[in-house]
Amino acid sequence: RKEVEQDPGPFNVPEGATVAFNCTYSNSASQSFFWYRQDCRKEPKLLMSVYSSGNEDGRFTAQLNRASQYISLLIRDSKLSDSATYLCVDYKLSFGAGTTVTVRA
Amino acid sequence: NAGVTQTPKFQVLKTGQSMTLQCAQDMNHEYMSWYRQDPGMGLRLIHYSVGAGITDQGEVPNGYNVSRSTTEDFPLRLLSAAPSQTSVYFCASRRSGTANTEAFFGQGTRLTVV
Repeated sequence: RKEVEQDPGPFNVPEGATVAFNCTYSNSASQSFFWYRQDCRKEPKLLMSVYSSGNEDGRFTAQLNRASQYISLLIRDSKLSDSATYLCVDYKLSFGAGTTVTVRA
Repeated sequence: NAGVTQTPKFQVLKTGQSMTLQCAQDMNHEYMSWYRQDPGMGLRLIHYSVGAGITDQGEVPNGYNVSRSTTEDFPLRLLSAAPSQTSVYFCASRRSGTANTEAFFGQGTRLTVV
């Protein structure tokens, strides 16, 4: 079983919509996670870190549910520029396969 | 700031050829790693290093060698290229000592083996 698993999507949403997706992890000892963003198979770039219960950065909110062992990412008021693949990563830098989000005009 | 630099950006090899993918970082990071990314899959760890002189295998090490003679450099060697090694390769680095540090990635090497 992979240490980090994601819903691959794709999520196809209109501009302005809210989209949310999850990532599950198998190692109950994992303390911190990251969401990375990847555009067109370019290098991944850090979107936000997730410690303790969660983190919020503008339109992006990440939450960590330790009891059910999953991390979520919510994007509010989606922009065309949010179209990308979102990678869930644990503290050991084990990557999920990514969730593809496409925001349409 | 240069960050993590990978060379070359693109490479075509014939089956059986060998080559070295270069990775250098100027952030004095202890931890460095190599990943490959195939369509529809996430990044899979090939090899990693927690400091100069120390390397270890990741999830998919077969067919690859690494060495870490300096903190800055972490080259990846393909011993005898196979079509199954056609992929995008990323090098990453991060500070060690805490689990909460960001990893920085190079721009990737797109390798095709024919």
